[in-house]
Amino acid sequence: GDSVTQMEGPVTLSEEAFLTINCTYTATGYPSLFWYVQYPGEGLQLLLKATKADDKGSNKGFEATYRKETTSFHLEKGSVQVSDSAVYFCALSAPGANNLFFGTGTRLTVIP
Amino acid sequence: GAVVSQHPSRVICKSGTSVKIECRSLDFQATTMFWYRQFPKQSLMLMATSNEGSKATYEQGVEKDKFLINHASLTLSTLTVTSAHPEDSSFYICSARGGIAGGLADTQYFGPGTRLTVL
Repeated sequence: GDSVTQMEGPVTLSEEAFLTINCTYTATGYPSLFWYVQYPGEGLQLLLKATKADDKGSNKGFEATYRKETTSFHLEKGSVQVSDSAVYFCALSAPGANNLFFGTGTRLTVIP
Repeated sequence: GAVVSQHPSRVICKSGTSVKIECRSLDFQATTMFWYRQFPKQSLMLMATSNEGSKATYEQGVEKDKFLINHASLTLSTLTVTSAHPEDSSFYICSARGGIAGGLADTQYFGPGTRLTVL
């Protein structure tokens, strides 16, 4: 079945460090891929998405590229800020399917 | 755009009572709404999917009679936790997805969540 495997956390980085959070998926066909972010005490917010192979989603300095050959959608940011501290969820939506499959989430803490 | 609200944000109730949570899409028509449950430090678990005007589809292991879902309009879905018990305490999150015409077909937009505590 469809699934998402996400890098386990927690991840602690110093401000301005480079961030990578790994995400790989298993799915039939060509799913849409998403990264959601959950700030403390809030609901999930869509961070970025990609709907086909080689697409790059980007937002707020974060990027992720849909890699069909490696079934991956790793999240990256060149220079993190304290305000990026949150839990990040990788997710997929299979073609024609209603629901999202979520990874377990990765908690990121950025220290000054 | 694509804002989803939930009400209430927090609720505390006594064991045995029922609690209703509302989920509204504020600036788009949501043909499909989803209800998730999130346990502390864990991922979201899909509870059910509802389409406007039809019965909800529940995931395996979710009690239909305990978690009543009504999707009465294209902008409102409600989740009622009936005869709540302490083990129902959790963070409940709804999401909404628009119709294809709105260009939101493959993206779910999430509400801020409702924290339920059952004493």
